Amino acid sequence: GAGVSQSPRYKVAKRGQDVALRCDPISGHVSLFWYQQALGQGPEFLTYFQNEAQLDKSGLPSDRFFAERPEGSVSTLKIQRTQQEDSAVYLCASSPQRQATNTGELFFGEGSRLTVL
Amino acid sequence: QKEVEQDPGPLSVPEGAIVSLNCTYSNSAFQYFMWYRQYSRKGPELLMYTYSSGNKEDGRFTAQVDKSSKYISLFIRDSQPSDSATYLCATQRPGGGNKLTFGTGTQLKVEL
Repeated sequence: GAGVSQSPRYKVAKRGQDVALRCDPISGHVSLFWYQQALGQGPEFLTYFQNEAQLDKSGLPSDRFFAERPEGSVSTLKIQRTQQEDSAVYLCASSPQRQATNTGELFFGEGSRLTVL
Repeated sequence: QKEVEQDPGPLSVPEGAIVSLNCTYSNSAFQYFMWYRQYSRKGPELLMYTYSSGNKEDGRFTAQVDKSSKYISLFIRDSQPSDSATYLCATQRPGGGNKLTFGTGTQLKVEL
């Protein structure tokens, strides 16, 4: 596809369940980011990959959150033992640039909206 | 205190009005400044990107950065109903990769 694709678009989970959110970045994009956007807030950085290497995971809120990008393309964000405070939109973004280039051009997907009951 | 502060609105203006959206930031290390537009239930898309102080114009949009007062602005001329969206300011440190720090977003509605 032409853009960043995320699935599922909507996910309802019971508290304590594990969830997995998938991101298909734009083909050939080196950098991939996950952001969390709570209702009425701006996106908050979670983690960053350059190809398959996770270079920054400083934004992951707890050890229940885990992200991977094993082959340097598709990425999965996994949340274990979900809590109500995990309810948010999880945005994936990709960029053709490597870390050293600063242009702010991130291409975002439409997000996965997680609701934890 | 958040690193980037933005009035959440909502802001409602008539079609054709000039819109002014603003953010302040606290960290003087920020050098790169962006405005993203986010339609309801969509991902943000980049509108404007500026480096350091000054103005940048692109069609009906003008981005302005004043580093001395840590203040960034986006002006929209001749606003249209299609401009109705949430506008997010974002900043970035040199060497910070593409990690962006976003404001909360200002919800704009342009009415006919």
